[in-house]
Amino acid sequence: DIVMTQSPDSLAVSLGERATINCKSSQSVLVRSNNKNYLAWYQQKAGQSPKLLIYWASTRASGVPDRFSGSGSGTDFTLTISSLQAEDVAVYYCQQYYSTPPITFGQGTRLEIK
Amino acid sequence: QVQLQQWGAGLVKPSETLSLTCAVYGGSFSGYYWSWIRQPPGKGLEWIGEINHIGRINYNQPLKRRVSMSVDTSKNQFSLRLSSVTAADTAAYYCARVPIMPMSGGAVERTYFDIWGPGTMVTVSS
Repeated sequence: DIVMTQSPDSLAVSLGERATINCKSSQSVLVRSNNKNYLAWYQQKAGQSPKLLIYWASTRASGVPDRFSGSGSGTDFTLTISSLQAEDVAVYYCQQYYSTPPITFGQGTRLEIK
Repeated sequence: QVQLQQWGAGLVKPSETLSLTCAVYGGSFSGYYWSWIRQPPGKGLEWIGEINHIGRINYNQPLKRRVSMSVDTSKNQFSLRLSSVTAADTAAYYCARVPIMPMSGGAVERTYFDIWGPGTMVTVSS
């Protein structure tokens, strides 16, 4: 199974500042034949179901604000929120869909306002 | 706009069977995989398994012995059953849609979870 490890476990950022969350996979999730990284990011606000933010490592899902961006390739990935808003307080998860089954998620990163 | 609505018993006794159903409204049922994911209180996400419209199934190995999934294409619904439950199965259970990507030779690849149901909190307790 591919193990997904996120860092940090929790993060406090001031409003308007940049937030960066990292995700590392135990093996590459890049398929060279189509040059796609099989990596997604989700946002889960308190009491809600997760919401897709980013897929193929860097493609924003429909309706996601452009302050959210995904980057990285192979085994190392980053979710960046360029200017933190109050409504961004949530737990963020990365997920690989390269080697399935099983689908695996990172442990989550809790993002709070400083 | 596609919506998932899910239901099932919120309280299940130990050793009994958990049963949940998810209905798909406003979109196609075929052409996707349909998954179940769970989240114990205060913890992370665990994939349980998935099924497509013709009943092709993948399960997460640790749960495979206790899990079964089924589809009812006439109602655009899919279901989860988890037998011999214990307190460790207490969790919020989510259904989710998985787009598939066509590959060469007629194969398909499953992808990310693009739409999620609202979740059902299931507590295992006597």
